[in-house]
Amino acid sequence: DTGVSQDPRHKITKRGQNVTFRCDPISEHNRLYWYRQTLGQGPEFLTYFQNEAQLEKSRLLSDRFSAERPKGSFSTLEIQRTEQGDSAMYLCASSSRDRDVDEQFFGPGTRLTVL
Amino acid sequence: KQEVTQIPAALSVPEGENLVLNCSFTDSAIYNLQWFRQDPGKGLTSLLLIQSSQREQTSGRLNASLDKSSGRSTLYIAASQPGDSATYLCAGDPYNYGQNFVFGPGTRLSVLP
Repeated sequence: DTGVSQDPRHKITKRGQNVTFRCDPISEHNRLYWYRQTLGQGPEFLTYFQNEAQLEKSRLLSDRFSAERPKGSFSTLEIQRTEQGDSAMYLCASSSRDRDVDEQFFGPGTRLTVL
Repeated sequence: KQEVTQIPAALSVPEGENLVLNCSFTDSAIYNLQWFRQDPGKGLTSLLLIQSSQREQTSGRLNASLDKSSGRSTLYIAASQPGDSATYLCAGDPYNYGQNFVFGPGTRLSVLP
């Protein structure tokens, strides 16, 4: 499968615990995005990498959130001291500018439930 | 701040009908526009991409158009099938930088057999 993959697909945790999600983009894509989606809403942008550089972060990304893409390939999103309000679907997408257009391809998402 | 509206929020139609989903941006300066499909509990599947130099795109029974003067896009689905049941989201990028992608809330479509 050459699409975007995410792991785990589901995560249930207790309030206050730390969680980490992984995203593996399409191999030739140099851009990687993280989004958060709550029920009935469209995805909201969290952060963006071009290769290993994190170029932009949304105000939604509080100090408890950190993302990395150490070798410009896979990325991790960590949430520290989780809160019930963090419960959402976390989506990863990747794209390439080779065609001079930024078409994003999404993974299946990680659904986080904070109890 | 760019905001996106999708009308209707939900739609239920009998199989075989042609239908139109609408998407509207408060700021009409849209560089690229994508339509996505999302099945319950799943990620997004890209359906159509309208690039800056284009006004519409077609794929099978789907046709999407973009009116840049008004910031409005429509997704036309011909001869709807029960397998088309899903949520359809539009997303626009004003600068082709990707990180400015703004999504609408989606239209939840049910096609009844």
